Amino acid sequence: NAGVMQNPRHLVRRRGQEARLRCSPMKGHSHVYWYRQLPEEGLKFMVYLQKENIIDESGMPKERFSAEFPKEGPSILRIQQVVRGDSAAYFCASSRTPGANEQFFGPGTRLTVL
Amino acid sequence: GQNIDQPTEMTATEGAIVQINCTYQTSGFNGLFWYQQHAGEAPTFLSYNVLDGLEEKGRFSSFLSRSKGYSYLLLKELQMKDSASYLCAVRPRGGADGLTFGKGTHLIIQP
Repeated sequence: NAGVMQNPRHLVRRRGQEARLRCSPMKGHSHVYWYRQLPEEGLKFMVYLQKENIIDESGMPKERFSAEFPKEGPSILRIQQVVRGDSAAYFCASSRTPGANEQFFGPGTRLTVL
Repeated sequence: GQNIDQPTEMTATEGAIVQINCTYQTSGFNGLFWYQQHAGEAPTFLSYNVLDGLEEKGRFSSFLSRSKGYSYLLLKELQMKDSASYLCAVRPRGGADGLTFGKGTHLIIQP
């Protein structure tokens, strides 16, 4: 019974490159949430997706960031033209229903921008 | 706006009891969560409260007062492995919503 899976676990990019982070929710879960955790900061909500739909992207930066959750395959968080300030841990969580009393977190992707 | 406050750091002794407080001011309320996070790892779910009162689960208990915007996490019979960050999070609105997290409380357990 695999949990939430994220890859890669560690990603190094140079300024200006693109970063693609992938998240596979738990089996039976169709609701995916992305969070960012900066050093010494709390987790910040970025975006909530269901299959093929972005439900809430109120926490997503307006530029360079995008997310998708296609009908087949993992959810993808894409960061274009990365800058040093994008260096953070990016966590994905999933739930079975929208108002579930638990969101299960993946191990995270640690992005380092050189 | 959303604001969640919890102490930055606490220290406690192995075998003792510790209470971690959390206060919140959010635009709405549809549940409060506590997560444990060890350094470099994913948050793991500890508890969920949506109604006032105490929820007990083994060595961990969580309390909620919606009228006061207040919750606490109580850890009993502390073990060294309980050294971690404890994250308080609120789901502001009904239905599908991302959680709003506090900055976490770093708990240090001493022998």
